[in-house]
Amino acid sequence: SQQGEEDPQALSIQEGENATMNCSYKTSINNLQWYRQNSGRGLVHLILIRSNEREKHSGRLRVTLDTSKKSSSLLITASRAADTASYFCATFNTGGFKTIFGAGTRLFVKA
Amino acid sequence: DAMVIQNPRYQVTQFGKPVTLSCSQTLNHNVMYWYQQKSSQAPKLLFHYYDKDFNNEADTPDNFQSRRPNTSFCFLDIRSPGLGDAAMYLCATSDRDREEDEQFFGPGTRLTVL
Repeated sequence: SQQGEEDPQALSIQEGENATMNCSYKTSINNLQWYRQNSGRGLVHLILIRSNEREKHSGRLRVTLDTSKKSSSLLITASRAADTASYFCATFNTGGFKTIFGAGTRLFVKA
Repeated sequence: DAMVIQNPRYQVTQFGKPVTLSCSQTLNHNVMYWYQQKSSQAPKLLFHYYDKDFNNEADTPDNFQSRRPNTSFCFLDIRSPGLGDAAMYLCATSDRDREEDEQFFGPGTRLTVL
């Protein structure tokens, strides 16, 4: 069954604006990961945040994790047209040693 | 560069005609995964190998089989493809010893069933 639920399902912004995507999940996790997928391609790992971490940065990416609310957000600052892609959150639990992907947010960045 | 390779990138088969998709990796990872992804949906895990141990997902149809002859290669066999099996098939790898399951994906094989 699907663990992560993401919103919005689609997001359209202008180049230079910030994009925020949210992910909610249901069960306990060891880490939460964000992946990017360009149209017709495989997924690319962006960032991993552990369950004992609250915030993590990588370049223009900022990820937060709130385990009490079972939610995470991905912020892309100063977006570029090249950021246009689908973004998936994925939760990992060592109990089942399984990563479960959410349905994804489709981001469109207009030049 | 270390990578995950999938061949072919596009595969066309006929209804009911067996098809095999291949995946190879140079990362020397001990886990290899096969996912099915339909348009605008999340990748759905079909099964994975941890070394030689095969782990099938409960809802994966019997029509889907897999082989991992060695660390580097893994195959997805669809014995009798139906129209509903048309999808992108993604192979991924991870190093279970790291216990974080960061996955490295290949570019995918898009399967068309006529």
